[in-house]
Amino acid sequence: GNSVTQMEGPVTLSEEAFLTINCTYTATGYPSLFWYVQYPGEGLQLLLKATKADDKGSNKGFEATYRKETTSFHLEKGSVQVSDSAVYFCALSERNNNDMRFGAGTRLTVKP
Amino acid sequence: DVKVTQSSRYLVKRTGEKVFLECVQDMDHENMFWYRQDPGLGLRLIYFSYDVKMKEKGDIPEGYSVSREKKERFSLILESASTNQTSMYLCASRLTALVTQYFGPGTRLLVL
Repeated sequence: GNSVTQMEGPVTLSEEAFLTINCTYTATGYPSLFWYVQYPGEGLQLLLKATKADDKGSNKGFEATYRKETTSFHLEKGSVQVSDSAVYFCALSERNNNDMRFGAGTRLTVKP
Repeated sequence: DVKVTQSSRYLVKRTGEKVFLECVQDMDHENMFWYRQDPGLGLRLIYFSYDVKMKEKGDIPEGYSVSREKKERFSLILESASTNQTSMYLCASRLTALVTQYFGPGTRLLVL
């Protein structure tokens, strides 16, 4: 079945540091890939997505590229801010499936 | 903007009580989902609904039931709450034709 594995946290960075959160997936078909972000006390918000191989999703300075050859969708940001402190979830979904598979989440803390 | 709302942000219930969690979406989405979120486990699907009066079990349906009498509303029911159902519950919705799910703010349930 489909599954997502993302790097364990927590991750602690200083402001303006470079961020990478690794995500790899296993899928039987051709999934769409997502990054969701959860700020403290909130639900999940869609951060970015990519629907096919080599697509790059981007939003708010975050980027992730759908790499079919390595089955990966790593999240990156060149310069993090304190306001980026949150839990980040990698996820996949296939059009003919009605559920979405999530990674365990990675907690990011950015210190001033 | 898609809006998904959940009836309560925090709930405290006693073991054995019947608990209702309500979710409403305002974008005419056919599909709705209930997840629970636990530390280190990510999100796990409890139930989903294709359309009004349609429902399917997810990965962890035991101890839960659902109701979808109207398209915009999807209810999660804990027939007899137990302490191991203490968790964060997240509702989501989406259009059948698309894969992106939109989440509500979550209900944090404590069962004593």
